Amino acid sequence: EAQVTQNPRYLITVTGKKLTVTCSQNMNHEYMSWYRQDPGLGLRQIYYSMNVEVTDKGDVPEGYKVSRKEKRNFPLILESPSPNQTSLYFCASSDSNSGAEQYFGPGTRLTVT
Amino acid sequence: GQQLNQSPQSMFIQEGEDVSMNCTSSSIFNTWLWYKQDPGEGPVLLIALYKAGELTSNGRLTAQFGITRKDSFLNISASIPSDVGIYFCSSRTGNNRKLIWGLGTSLAVNP
Repeated sequence: EAQVTQNPRYLITVTGKKLTVTCSQNMNHEYMSWYRQDPGLGLRQIYYSMNVEVTDKGDVPEGYKVSRKEKRNFPLILESPSPNQTSLYFCASSDSNSGAEQYFGPGTRLTVT
Repeated sequence: GQQLNQSPQSMFIQEGEDVSMNCTSSSIFNTWLWYKQDPGEGPVLLIALYKAGELTSNGRLTAQFGITRKDSFLNISASIPSDVGIYFCSSRTGNNRKLIWGLGTSLAVNP
């Protein structure tokens, strides 16, 4: 089954404790992206990747890192999480270099206390 | 910067009613996408539009790419309870690699 998977689905952590949210897709898509969703603010792009070893900042990259060492995986790293990074995070992938028609993962709800 | 104005922000309707929502911008786009997000899930693509004036259906859903390329609408006919969710429009310009997103229309259906 074609899908985007994220882990963990739920995470509660404390300020400053490094964490990684994994994202994997099995559709051989070149394009992958991370979003955060907050009430009243819609979906905001954090980082995206056009292909292996190619990443670029989205609209809200501060406080986040990503890597793309393999085509299928695109982990999101929070080196020192803060409470304002409490949010619902989505990973997405697309087989179009332009990023249209994106397939989304199920989401990771992160709470930073 | 570029913005998508999505309206209405929320709707509460009776089962069986038709629904219409739209997305407008002051910028010209060459792609319009409509997504639905069920509670607790990630957004799922409903309809993709790539040509001005294009009218596309997906079951009870119909979407159109505005002729001015600055707007799009989504209609849902004969709504049912499983239509509940948030509907997002999304778009992009030319070779721009980023998608622009509306803030969503939240739909509630009373059985």
